[in-house]
Amino acid sequence: AQTVTQSQPEMSVQEAETVTLSCTYDTSESDYYLFWYKQPPSRQMILVIRQEAYKQQNATENRFSVNFQKAAKSFSLKISDSQLGDAAMYFCAYRSPITQGGSEKLVFGKGTKLTVNP
Amino acid sequence: KAGVTQTPRYLIKTRGQQVTLSCSPISGHRSVSWYQQTPGQGLQFLFEYFSETQRNKGNFPGRFSGRQFSNSRSEMNVSTLELGDSALYLCASSFTTGGRTGELFFGEGSRLTVL
Repeated sequence: AQTVTQSQPEMSVQEAETVTLSCTYDTSESDYYLFWYKQPPSRQMILVIRQEAYKQQNATENRFSVNFQKAAKSFSLKISDSQLGDAAMYFCAYRSPITQGGSEKLVFGKGTKLTVNP
Repeated sequence: KAGVTQTPRYLIKTRGQQVTLSCSPISGHRSVSWYQQTPGQGLQFLFEYFSETQRNKGNFPGRFSGRQFSNSRSEMNVSTLELGDSALYLCASSFTTGGRTGELFFGEGSRLTVL
C-alpha cells in the first residue's frame, strides 16, 4: 500500500519570504499522480498543484512550485513571496493511475500547518 | 457553478445512534468520494462512488456505508455511533474523462460530534 509522509507538522514563514514544505511517499508503482492541497481554517480544501509522475518537468502554478524527485520519492512544495492568505494546513496526496475499474482515491499525508507572520 | 454541498454542516449525536450525511457534487461530476478527517489519523479514505456503483472502499468497519443516486448525489451512513466516529467528514467530487485524473473538489465538510 502507498504511504505519504509529511515530516514537518508545523512551519512558519515571514510574509514575502519563501518556504518549502516536504513530502515523501512510498510506492511500487511507476506511474501515479501527486498533489498538494491547501485547507484554510474552517474552509474547504482546494488543490494547489498537481504533478504527473511521467512528467520530468516540475509543475508550477504562479507562486507555487514543486521539486519532484522520482527516484528519491520526494515531492516538496515551494511557496514564494508568501502571503497572509497562504496560512493553512497543507496536505500532500498520492493517487494511483486509473486502471480498469480504477478509482480517484487519494492517500494523504498528515499535513503541515503553515503560519505566515506579518 | 455551485460547488460541492454537504449537509448538515454540524451535528451532535450520542453513542449508539445513527447518522446520515449528504453530499451534492458539482453539476456534471459523476465521481463522489468520502473522507474522514481527525486530528489523530488525518484524512482517511472511506469510499468512492461512480455512476451509482461503489468503485473503491477504505478500511472502515461495516457500520460505515454509502450510496449514490442517479443524479450523482451521495449519502453516507454511520450506524451504532462510537465516540471515535467524531470527525470532520469530507465529500469530494470529480469529473474523470479518458482515464486521466480529474481534480477533486471538496465540500466544507460535516462535523460530527458523538457524545
